[in-house]
Amino acid sequence: GENVEQHPSTLSVQEGDSAVIKCTYSDSASNYFPWYKQELGKRPQLIIDIRSNVGEKKDQRIAVTLNKTAKHFSLHITETQPEDSAVYFCAASSGNTGKLIFGQGTTLQVKP
Amino acid sequence: GAGVSQSPSNKVTEKGKDVELRCDPISGHTALYWYRQSLGQGLEFLIYFQGNSAPDKSGLPSDRFSAERTGGSVSTLTIQRTQQEDSAVYLCASNRDSRNYGYTFGSGTRLTVV
Repeated sequence: GENVEQHPSTLSVQEGDSAVIKCTYSDSASNYFPWYKQELGKRPQLIIDIRSNVGEKKDQRIAVTLNKTAKHFSLHITETQPEDSAVYFCAASSGNTGKLIFGQGTTLQVKP
Repeated sequence: GAGVSQSPSNKVTEKGKDVELRCDPISGHTALYWYRQSLGQGLEFLIYFQGNSAPDKSGLPSDRFSAERTGGSVSTLTIQRTQQEDSAVYLCASNRDSRNYGYTFGSGTRLTVV
């Protein structure tokens, strides 16, 4: 089955700097890659996603890139702000079920 | 409803007791998923329902865990003879269907087994 590895497990940056989180997946049939943000004590919320037919997608300060050949995808956050501090999860779909397999999460701390 | 609703929000139970956790998905969403999140950990897939198809139970950790979805809407996750290692947040998510749209998660049920 699908396996998703996420790095780093923790990331600390200064406000205004960029943050990059990377994930690799094992199932070459995976075709959907969302990213979720989970603030402390709250539910995970979808922040951006990408499908396998595109290589990059942007939404304001966040972007996701996908390299299908290498089976990895990354989240990029520019001009980080303290409110970006949270746990971020990547995920990959398993076949056509919509079932998502999640990475272990990255705790991002943005220092003011 | 407007979102995915889970109940109870918190549950404390004694080791060995059975518990039932409820999930009410967004109206019209045909796909429903259960995940488990242990403290400081990632999201572990448990079970998936899609319409009237047989559920994908491949993530259930033991035969003490079961789930059903009645009428294609509300789902109940049952844990029998609870153990301390079952303590976690149980998250439910729903999706319009299985075609890889982003999930909407509920707020979860925090289960503590003492």
